[in-house]
Amino acid sequence: DTAVSQTPKYLVTQMGNDKSIKCEQNLGHDTMYWYKQDSKKFLKIMFSYNNKELIINETVPNRFSPKSPDKAHLNLHINSLELGDSAVYFCASSQGYRELFFGSGTQLSVL
Amino acid sequence: AQSVTQLDSQVPVFEEAPVELRCNYSSSVSVYLFWYVQYPNQGLQLLLKYLSGSTLVKGINGFEAEFNKSQTSFHLRKPSVHISDTAEYFCALLNTGFQKLVFGTGTRLLVSP
Repeated sequence: DTAVSQTPKYLVTQMGNDKSIKCEQNLGHDTMYWYKQDSKKFLKIMFSYNNKELIINETVPNRFSPKSPDKAHLNLHINSLELGDSAVYFCASSQGYRELFFGSGTQLSVL
Repeated sequence: AQSVTQLDSQVPVFEEAPVELRCNYSSSVSVYLFWYVQYPNQGLQLLLKYLSGSTLVKGINGFEAEFNKSQTSFHLRKPSVHISDTAEYFCALLNTGFQKLVFGTGTRLLVSP
């Protein structure tokens, strides 16, 4: 009964492909996020959804498109993958202005 | 603008020694502050948080941190570390107006026997 679960854990793909990462939370939280962690471990927010509505969209290439079918799910679709997209992507959720609960991450490797 | 600075990228320490990981922040408005830990190949886990009230905050695994508004700091401390504390530690700031958590660059704690 993992609180925030994301799949897959590892994703290896070729440049130019399209891929998706799925995230689900069973905590009843109203806000979900995608963070990117680069090779230097730096964490940067990409998107935030509150009750299925996009509220934060950082300067992320439009090849990245989040989708929130309901407030328990936030998926990330990436088109035309590039080498520089290789990173660990973390999904997280929160209830209001409280701490974030993170998933275990998806390590994306673009070859 | 808001930011979090962790000046030490790596802190080596011997087992059972005390440790302090430094965190300074910058914000023009009130903030909430957090420390997260990331063990190898895992997600981030909350160690402790400061929302309001007492400036000394105790967290899990024997860690504590002190919020110092005048010095804009939120340093993390543990009186005696274990090998299992080896991990990456992130300080983070939440500015309620912007609804997003901003992370520092992380400090790798290396505990050796």
